[in-house]
Amino acid sequence: KAGVTQTPRYLIKTRGQQVTLSCSPISGHRSVSWYQQTPGQGLQFLFEYFSETQRNKGNFPGRFSGRQFSNSRSEMNVSTLELGDSALYLCASSWTGENTEAFFGQGTRLTVV
Amino acid sequence: AQRVTQPEKLLSVFKGAPVELKCNYSYSGSPELFWYVQYSRQRLQLLLRHISRESIKGFTADLNKGETSFHLKKPFAQEEDSAMYYCALTGTGFQKLVFGTGTRLLVSP
Repeated sequence: KAGVTQTPRYLIKTRGQQVTLSCSPISGHRSVSWYQQTPGQGLQFLFEYFSETQRNKGNFPGRFSGRQFSNSRSEMNVSTLELGDSALYLCASSWTGENTEAFFGQGTRLTVV
Repeated sequence: AQRVTQPEKLLSVFKGAPVELKCNYSYSGSPELFWYVQYSRQRLQLLLRHISRESIKGFTADLNKGETSFHLKKPFAQEEDSAMYYCALTGTGFQKLVFGTGTRLLVSP
């Protein structure tokens, strides 16, 4: 059974640009959540999607957005990139999201220069 | 407010020594508590969750609601236990994990 797949693995972007990250969940999983991991702030929740609907959102500015497709694949977008957006972005999937085990991807390492 | 505190950034022990990684939490309802582990160059993975009351790789964790703690313990550390350990909680409903800052466990031979 394939695990959670995130693409690309590495990205380098310039300030002011926008970026789209992709996450393919484990087959059958309908909940996808996103986290930002930085040395200073640790792992922080960005948002969670279930059946194409955003159910919860963390305390991030509106530049951070996401969506989920009918096949449960998810994308997150960051517009007007800032240096502080440099981080490892992790995606996790689970069956329903309701206190079920979350399986994490390898992450996308975003560097903003 | 939901918060998870892991007071130790680094815990260094010798092989065969007991290990206790501390985790305290703050949550107004009834949370579910987890320990996640990240080995070098591997993805974050679930180690154990309090509702299952399992022992995984010799690790156990007991939820103490009075002290709002969920410390991770292992009686005899092994070198392969060296990793980053994160305590996390979630409330009822959708998937939103609140993580602690993590503790790096180093087990020396």
